[in-house]
Amino acid sequence: QSVLTQPPSASGAPGQRVTISCSGSNSNVGNNFVYWYQQLPGTAPKLLIYRRNQRPSGVPDRFSGSKSGTSASLAISGLRSEDEADYYCAAWDDSLSGYVFGTGTRVAVL
Amino acid sequence: QVQLQESGPGLVKPSETLSLTCTVAGGSVSSGSDYWNWVRQPPGKGLEWIGYIYTSGSTKYNSSLKSRVTISKDTSKNQFSLKLSSVTAADTAEYYCARGGGYSYVLYGMDVWGQGTTVTVSS
Repeated sequence: QSVLTQPPSASGAPGQRVTISCSGSNSNVGNNFVYWYQQLPGTAPKLLIYRRNQRPSGVPDRFSGSKSGTSASLAISGLRSEDEADYYCAAWDDSLSGYVFGTGTRVAVL
Repeated sequence: QVQLQESGPGLVKPSETLSLTCTVAGGSVSSGSDYWNWVRQPPGKGLEWIGYIYTSGSTKYNSSLKSRVTISKDTSKNQFSLKLSSVTAADTAEYYCARGGGYSYVLYGMDVWGQGTTVTVSS
């Protein structure tokens, strides 16, 4: 049972903007970096957003992250068919003294 | 460029110990400030962090698995390993190794992942 809650699904037409929320608490999202991972079907997770809304080399600037209090969000603008994947937020939890992943959100491109 | 590769048995019997190894290329498990992690994903479900070993040898485990997990490293082979004891069908999953970064034993996140290996627990 994850301590980070995400909506199970999100969708949008090509070119649209989709936002995924990640709800946590002061012991995780509120006090630590939130990372976002993308998992394409049948593949390993890939780092998408790290630290304060930074993107690894090769990740397009269509992906952006933000955080306010105990919630974080991932926005995908200019949605493309190759963005169909599962997306996970994650953060260190001070109370658990462990790393926690969000419940995951499956994005569909209509 | 760091690359990780998991290896180990794909089938483990219930009550036995699951053992996996991650071979690191292009990096070192014994130097720097990296955290070497294991993450798993049951079929059709989300990601679960298992634990890490820091370059110093310090470890941190998921509290829900702590009693059954040991992560260790072999610096001569540049590998780190996972042992999970007393496995049940609930431990059937894709297992990933991953390199992470952090500070003062707080893991920030993981930037390099192995391709994963499937482990099935069945008699």
